[in-house]
Amino acid sequence: EVQLLESGGGLVQPGGSLRLSCAASGFTFSSYAMSWVRQAPGKGLEWVSSIRSSGNSTYYADSVKGRFTISRDNSRHTLYLQMSSLRAEDTAVYFCAKTKAPATIQAPIDYWGQGTLVTVSS
Amino acid sequence: DIVMTQSPDSLAVSLGERATINCKSSRTVLYSSNNKNYVAWYQQKPGQPPKLLIYWASTRESGVPDRFSGSGSGTDFALTISSLQAEDVAVYYCQQYYSTPLITFGQGTRLEIK
Repeated sequence: EVQLLESGGGLVQPGGSLRLSCAASGFTFSSYAMSWVRQAPGKGLEWVSSIRSSGNSTYYADSVKGRFTISRDNSRHTLYLQMSSLRAEDTAVYFCAKTKAPATIQAPIDYWGQGTLVTVSS
Repeated sequence: DIVMTQSPDSLAVSLGERATINCKSSRTVLYSSNNKNYVAWYQQKPGQPPKLLIYWASTRESGVPDRFSGSGSGTDFALTISSLQAEDVAVYYCQQYYSTPLITFGQGTRLEIK
């Protein structure tokens, strides 16, 4: 059974930093591209960042480029999102997400974690 | 960026009746090389993550009831629930993965029971 378990969310002041983690199990983690998608309270879904299966290519939404860094440790089956210079508008539930097809980033998301809430407020 | 626009924003349908949600992309999401439309549909219930229902615009994900179907090509797509059940109350999102990694979602359609 595929499981994605996020952690690391919490309350942080504007300008602060936070690192999210996503522990994956139930599939061959190193074969799949992974993404972070966020959802502000009461709002829709917004893609944040993606990383290819090998970790050698990373991609970011314009809204987070230069502030967030996605990475993965295939030996630990874990995905990360390092967030810095946080703003109030980054407040959201952050979902870890698995791409459906192996070895490609151009595929739908077939599994989502339960999400971790990040609140940016003074 | 490809913009996905859903209609309506909310929808109320009686139990057992048909529900249709539309999604329009700002440019084609049909790859001519493989004749596939890079569109997916998700269902999200309160307090839960989204769940994949449909991909390639019309392929039902494993385990999804056959009352859910997807249709359309190019820039215009639809999700249809043939006979609405109480457990189908949710927010539904369309998504394009044509211009990956920059995937985009529609704004969501809230489906309720009339």
